[in-house]
Amino acid sequence: AQTVTQSQPEMSVQEAETVTLSCTYDTSESDYYLFWYKQPPSRQMILVIRQEAYKQQNATENRFSVNFQKAAKSFSLKISDSQLGDAAMYFCAYRSRHTGANSKLTFGKGITLSVRP
Amino acid sequence: EAGVTQFPSHSVIEKGQTVTLRCDPISGHDNLYWYRRVMGKEIKFLLHFVKESKQDESGMPNNRFLAERTGGTYSTLKVQPAELEDSGVYFCASSQVEWTGNEQFFGPGTRLTVL
Repeated sequence: AQTVTQSQPEMSVQEAETVTLSCTYDTSESDYYLFWYKQPPSRQMILVIRQEAYKQQNATENRFSVNFQKAAKSFSLKISDSQLGDAAMYFCAYRSRHTGANSKLTFGKGITLSVRP
Repeated sequence: EAGVTQFPSHSVIEKGQTVTLRCDPISGHDNLYWYRRVMGKEIKFLLHFVKESKQDESGMPNNRFLAERTGGTYSTLKVQPAELEDSGVYFCASSQVEWTGNEQFFGPGTRLTVL
């Protein structure tokens, strides 16, 4: 079974600075997807960024980028030029590439990010 | 386009009572998922519908939980009888096609408290 670990429960960053959120995972599969989801206070969880394991290039979405280290099973999220609206809970998630019964998401515990003005 | 909606947003019930949670997925989304987050722990998968069929219910904790999706539209999750350990936030998500890289769109969750 796959597991996702987010060992830092909380982090804080100064507005306009850069912060990196850590995530590690364990799997015996070679092909899968990794995701970072964001849940702002009292709001719905939304997808921030997605990485396909077979792609060596790290995914980027505007101020958000990942550092995907497949051999180390590490998938960290970097937020550049942090904004007050980035304050939220961030979840790292894994999904098998196979369809059908394995299409569920496996989540980490999440990390609460606060942004200091 | 309306997102995934869930009702109620909060529910407080006594141990032994019954509660029914509802999820309305995004229109046209055949895939519907239920997840649960117990305080301080990971979000855990409960089950997955494809249209009205249960594709994977390996995460359902026990037979006190019953999920349905009649007609392949909205879904209900009934807990009967509720126990203290059922407290948590229940999330519903939907996605359009069975491509595993496809985004799952989440609802706001239902916070269930069992006293």
